[in-house]
Amino acid sequence: GQNIDQPTEMTATEGAIVQINCTYQTSGFNGLFWYQQHAGEAPTFLSYNVLDGLEEKGRFSSFLSRSKGYSYLLLKELQMKDSASYLCAAAPDTGGFKTIFGAGTRLFVKA
Amino acid sequence: EAQVTQNPRYLITVTGKKLTVTCSQNMNHEYMSWYRQDPGLGLRQIYYSMNVEVTDKGDVPEGYKVSRKEKRNFPLILESPSPNQTSLYFCASSLDRGGEKLFFGSGTQLSVL
Repeated sequence: GQNIDQPTEMTATEGAIVQINCTYQTSGFNGLFWYQQHAGEAPTFLSYNVLDGLEEKGRFSSFLSRSKGYSYLLLKELQMKDSASYLCAAAPDTGGFKTIFGAGTRLFVKA
Repeated sequence: EAQVTQNPRYLITVTGKKLTVTCSQNMNHEYMSWYRQDPGLGLRQIYYSMNVEVTDKGDVPEGYKVSRKEKRNFPLILESPSPNQTSLYFCASSLDRGGEKLFFGSGTQLSVL
């Protein structure tokens, strides 16, 4: 079957670092996406990994291990505005049409 | 500005009254899709379209219809809405290539009474 698992909720302190993990099982794999979604709003693209390793983009970094079916999103220097849900999504085939989403991790950033 | 325009933003209706949620993109994307989002379940795909006149079922297609007569538009039709279709709906589009990110509409919060 196809499945994506990520923690339901996490809490972290402003200025700290937080790592959100994601494990996936898909029939074929063409990359791993992370999206950010603020409450009541649309998801917005954060990162895409297709090769193993770490991709850094400002305060956000994303890691992928294809052999382990594992990814994480690393958020540094947390700000209050980072309070949101973070969606892990796998693309089992070319194109976006079969993208499978995890249920999302709600991150609460406290002062 | 590149965008996916989805309307209406909020909709309250009654059981059995047909409704349409519109979706339009201005990026010449081949691929468009509809998702519903429910607490604890994440985004689940309803229908998708690879191009004009090409549509296929996603994971939860029951009770929904779609059409793709023009490349830019992909309306979602609920012929006879039921309370279990109360949800937050998102339209999304992307280029039809591996690794292409999805662009989402602003969402439609539907309540079926």
